[in-house]
Amino acid sequence: GQSLEQPSEVTAVEGAIVQINCTYQTSGFYGLSWYQQHDGGAPTFLSYNALDGLEETGRFSSFLSRSDSYGYLLLQELQMKDSASYFCAVRDQGSARQLTFGSGTQLTVLP
Amino acid sequence: DTEVTQTPKHLVMGMTNKKSLKCEQHMGHRAMYWYKQKAKKPPELMFVYSYEKLSINESVPSRFSPECPNSSLLNLHLHALQPEDSALYLCASSQLLQREGRDGYNEQFFGPGTRLTVL
Repeated sequence: GQSLEQPSEVTAVEGAIVQINCTYQTSGFYGLSWYQQHDGGAPTFLSYNALDGLEETGRFSSFLSRSDSYGYLLLQELQMKDSASYFCAVRDQGSARQLTFGSGTQLTVLP
Repeated sequence: DTEVTQTPKHLVMGMTNKKSLKCEQHMGHRAMYWYKQKAKKPPELMFVYSYEKLSINESVPSRFSPECPNSSLLNLHLHALQPEDSALYLCASSQLLQREGRDGYNEQFFGPGTRLTVL
């Protein structure tokens, strides 16, 4: 089976940089994804890492270290609209098409 | 069209009712999913369809019955639900194949969900 750990809450101010960490345990590994979900909204795909290193998409970057079973989502130049829940998710080779989500990190951006 | 649509947006039903949730996508995705999400919790996978065939059923009670009539549509039939089944029901779709360094199963497109209340 899989398990993921991420902080439950993070607070930062507008314009700041915040990092949301995710550690995982899987029986195999086939990628780490990040999703954003605003209150009352649907999860939205942000990024995916299959290999070690940093992937950058605009203000958001995601990092993976497979040897450490660790990844993070980096949000730069925070804006109020970034206040949302952020989920890491893994797909392991044993589960084929299944994504398992972490418990989520509630990010609050203050003015 | 990069959208997954779901109907209805809200549904209130009694424990003896029969109702259906509907999901539609026109992105040519051949994998479709049903998730259940409780407040302040992550989405929990219920069912996965690939090429219109049920490939994963995560030990979901039989009062939930999925159906995939064609590659664009996914239904979830509800019967004799319990109050604890009240939740947000999310539909998602994805590509099946890896392409250009991306992994279809990791990159899922979610619909807005149906907020279900069972009385």
